[in-house]
Amino acid sequence: EIVLTQSPGTLSLSPGERATLSCRASQNVSTYYLAWYQQKPGQAPRLLIYGASNRATGIPDRFSGSGSGTDFTLTISRLEPEDFAVYCCQQYGASRWTFGQGTKVEIK
Amino acid sequence: QLQLQESGPGLVKPSETLSLTCTVSGGSISSSSYYWGWIRQPPGKGLEWIGSISYSGSTYYNPSFKSRVSISVDTSNNHFSLKLASVTAADTTLYYCARHRINFDYWGQGTLVTVSS
Repeated sequence: EIVLTQSPGTLSLSPGERATLSCRASQNVSTYYLAWYQQKPGQAPRLLIYGASNRATGIPDRFSGSGSGTDFTLTISRLEPEDFAVYCCQQYGASRWTFGQGTKVEIK
Repeated sequence: QLQLQESGPGLVKPSETLSLTCTVSGGSISSSSYYWGWIRQPPGKGLEWIGSISYSGSTYYNPSFKSRVSISVDTSNNHFSLKLASVTAADTTLYYCARHRINFDYWGQGTLVTVSS
């Protein structure tokens, strides 16, 4: 089973700052199979990025994804107040789907 | 707009079987392109995929649950169901249903299940 490890656990930033979140896989993951989600308190996760770098429908262009192999990154170029949330990565492989434990982006 | 809604008992006794149903509206569960899955999330923790089913009934389970999980689909009523046997307090958590292929694009709002006598 591929394990996804996200870092940092919590990121404390101010609105307008840049956020860089990391997702490291225990084995190589195809870029096609790596996604990122945003989750706010009391809500279900929302798909942000699929295929490692493609924004889902309606996602602002301040969100971007990159990476390959075992190292993937989600970048939020300028944090808006509504971006403070938990972000998690997810991969698919061998008929199994796994998620990272999440990174919380909080207001500094 | 596709919508998913979980339903089922919010309280289950230890050693019994947890049963949840996810009703899909605004679209057909019979789409050959999608899987229908269950994911859970302990309070304040990460997401854990439990298992999924295709419209044709092919199932895929997380090995961590494989011995006690069963997922079924009812295309005539446009819903799919989760059964998790021999529950313990560790199964107390929020359960989501979702539509997916490689990624999970539509989710239910989640339902909290507590395991307690």
